[in-house]
Order: sequence, then C-alpha cells, then structure tokens
Amino acid sequence: DVKVTQSSRYLVKRTGEKVFLECVQDMDHENMFWYRQDPGLGLRLIYFSYDVKMKEKGDIPEGYSVSREKKERFSLILESASTNQTSMYLCASSPMTSGRPQNTGELFFGEGSRLTVL
Amino acid sequence: GQNIDQPTEMTATEGAIVQINCTYQTSGFNGLFWYQQHAGEAPTFLSYNVLDGLEEKGRFSSFLSRSKGYSYLLLKELQMKDSASYLCAVADSNYQLIWGAGTKLIIKP
Repeated sequence: DVKVTQSSRYLVKRTGEKVFLECVQDMDHENMFWYRQDPGLGLRLIYFSYDVKMKEKGDIPEGYSVSREKKERFSLILESASTNQTSMYLCASSPMTSGRPQNTGELFFGEGSRLTVL
Repeated sequence: GQNIDQPTEMTATEGAIVQINCTYQTSGFNGLFWYQQHAGEAPTFLSYNVLDGLEEKGRFSSFLSRSKGYSYLLLKELQMKDSASYLCAVADSNYQLIWGAGTKLIIKP
C-alpha cells in the first residue's frame, strides 16, 4: 500500500518559533510537494522538488523553506512562525511522467499537519 | 489571472445522482483532475481528463469540454460514504496545478 507519511498531525507553536514539518514517501517518487489548505481557498503550492537537492518555489514561498536531502524525504521549514501561517499543511508526491519533471500526474497526499501558531 | 470555480456546497439524497460542476480559466491546459477529500483526511485521486468527453469509472464519471472550460463529476447511486469534499484542479501550460476551493457534498438519508 503506497504511503505518504507526515510526521505530526497536530502542532501548536508560538510566534517566532522555528517549525519543521517532515514528509516521507515510500513509492520512490521523483516529485514531492508542500501545499497549504485554508477554508474557502484552493490548495496553494508552497514549494516543490523534482529531484534530490532540487527545489522550486510555488505560489506562496514567502516565510517558508524546504530541504530534500534524500529522495524519500521532503521537509518544510518555517524559520519564524507567524499567526498567518496557521493552516493545514499537505505533503504530496508523484512519479515523473512523460519525461517531464513538471508533469505531476496523480498526486499521493499525506494526511496533513494542522499547525496552529499562537 | 487563473481561476477555478466550483460550488461551495451541495446536498443530495442517498441513492440519487449528483453532478458537481467545475469551470476554469487558465493559461494553457494540460488536463483536469478530480480528487475526493473526506473530512480530516488526505485528498485521493478520482479521475483525470485531458480530452473532451466522458470518462466512466464505476459509480463516478467525469466529463470535460475544453472549448467551454468546463468539467463535471457525476456521482451515481449515492452512498453515505460519498459525503466529502470534491476538489477540481487544472494543470496549466507549465503543468502546475491550479486548484478550486472544493465542493462539500452532504448526503442525506
């Protein structure tokens, strides 16, 4: 059974704290993504990676950074958490298709990490 | 700008049929996806359309008209477990996914 695992389902942090969200996939997928999901809005892409040590900014990268040291692991870092980063964070992975790194194909999502910043 | 529109909420009766619409305006088109997301769970893939027409998969079907920028997801023989949010997403010219806000489907007995 394919799996994307996010390290924490629920986190509560204080403003200014550094936050690490970890994501691991066991499907040997090239592509990995971090999204945030807020009520009334579509999923918004924060960062994605199509190879180890590669990263690309998504639509809302400000205030976030990422790390992909191993193929199976993609970490999202909030250097200094702020209240407007309170959200549900979803990690996803997909295989590369048609030889294009950008061509996502079907996404496999983790169950999400709900972050509250006080 | 790029935009995906879908109704915020719909209600239907167990055993009935429901159609969830999605209209889009994007810079380029490389396919349209539907995902299902139960409350508190991960989204899961339902369907992918890149050519016009209807794709049927069991009780679920998805339709695409590229000229109209329009898709729908058709759910037949509704079951209580179909209560979920349904997310429409379009891959643009750069293969980046643009997501709708999702349609919350409520099934009543």
